Amino acid sequence: KQEVTQIPAALSVPEGENLVLNCSFTDSAIYNLQWFRQDPGKGLTSLLLIQSSQREQTSGRLNASLDKSSGRSTLYIAASQPGDSATYLCAVRNYGGSQGNLIFGKGTKLSVKP
Amino acid sequence: EAQVTQNPRYLITVTGKKLTVTCSQNMNHEYMSWYRQDPGLGLRQIYYSMNVEVTDKGDVPEGYKVSRKEKRNFPLILESPSPNQTSLYFCASSIQGVNSPLHFGNGTRLTVT
Repeated sequence: KQEVTQIPAALSVPEGENLVLNCSFTDSAIYNLQWFRQDPGKGLTSLLLIQSSQREQTSGRLNASLDKSSGRSTLYIAASQPGDSATYLCAVRNYGGSQGNLIFGKGTKLSVKP
Repeated sequence: EAQVTQNPRYLITVTGKKLTVTCSQNMNHEYMSWYRQDPGLGLRQIYYSMNVEVTDKGDVPEGYKVSRKEKRNFPLILESPSPNQTSLYFCASSIQGVNSPLHFGNGTRLTVT
């Protein structure tokens, strides 16, 4: 059974720092991995989706990498800002499951201090 | 604006009183799904629908029903709510295809007393 783990559960950094969030998964038979951002009281916003054949995706200050063989993904945030404060979740879509049955990690709560 | 809309945002009810949480999307998405989010357990899929009149169980379907009579709407029905269904519920949608990103609504916080 697929398990997705995110470490650390919480992270606090000063503004301007570059940081890396980690996501690991136990079964490498995945279609893709998706990173989401969740703000308090809000839904999830899709940040990046990496297909299993890809190694990385970039959007602005965000860069996500995928190493399927080792079951790892990282989300790199450059020059962090207080507005980046949120909970970041990763999720994988397995082979054989339903199209949208994403398996989620429990998230990393990021706090960027001014 | 492209969006997934859930109503209500907050709901407090009593055990056994039937309720419906509505979900509507304006992006002509074929795929729709319901999740619940609980502290320490993360997000878990309740039901999903690949298209109109096609629904299937997710990981935690017990105590829930859904219907998909129209493409844009996917209501979640709790016939006899119980306190263990107190949770934060999310509806999501996407176009067909395994590499399509999911779009989420803003959530419905349900409390069953």
